[in-house]
Amino acid sequence: SQTIHQWPATLVQPVGSPLSLECTVEGTSNPNLYWYRQAAGRGLQLLFYSVGIGQISSEVPQNLSASRPQDRQFILSSKKLLLSDSGFYLCAWSVLGDSNEQYFGPGTRLTVT
Amino acid sequence: QKEVEQDPGPLSVPEGAIVSLNCTYSNSAFQYFMWYRQYSRKGPELLMYTYSSGNKEDGRFTAQVDKSSKYISLFIRDSQPSDSATYLCAMRKSGNKLVFGAGTILRVKS
Repeated sequence: SQTIHQWPATLVQPVGSPLSLECTVEGTSNPNLYWYRQAAGRGLQLLFYSVGIGQISSEVPQNLSASRPQDRQFILSSKKLLLSDSGFYLCAWSVLGDSNEQYFGPGTRLTVT
Repeated sequence: QKEVEQDPGPLSVPEGAIVSLNCTYSNSAFQYFMWYRQYSRKGPELLMYTYSSGNKEDGRFTAQVDKSSKYISLFIRDSQPSDSATYLCAMRKSGNKLVFGAGTILRVKS
């Protein structure tokens, strides 16, 4: 069966510090991978998605970047965090191609102070 | 105007009630409609999806789509305290990107 992992689960970082969130998927090959952010009381905002190694599409111009160094690894990064980067970050995967079914990880709650 | 509108609630109902959750959308290009459930501090999980107008039933859950009105609904029969969660609607045109509503918080009281 497929499993998706995210770490860390919780993170408190000062403004201006760097960020690295990691997501890995097990039990499937060539998945589509996604990073979302969920602010309190708001829906999921798609940040990045990837259809393959090194292929990243950015949905929202901002302070974040993403990389996919391996087939089942997706990393979200920032060089300098802003207060507005606080939120619940979710990684998700789906089968390659068009799909209605996205499977989400447990999320990382980031607080920028 | 947001592409997908969803009342954030909270919606509070007694155990056993029928729950109606709704979303409206503005883009007629949406073809696929999904409902996700999200428990507190967890990632969302897919409940069901539908493609065409009409009803789709899965156990206590019924998804309804009215494309002419750009309106979708999720009905929960015989609601249970374990149904307490945030319910997110999501939609897709073509491709692999979903557009989510803000989510409705549901509380089922025992």
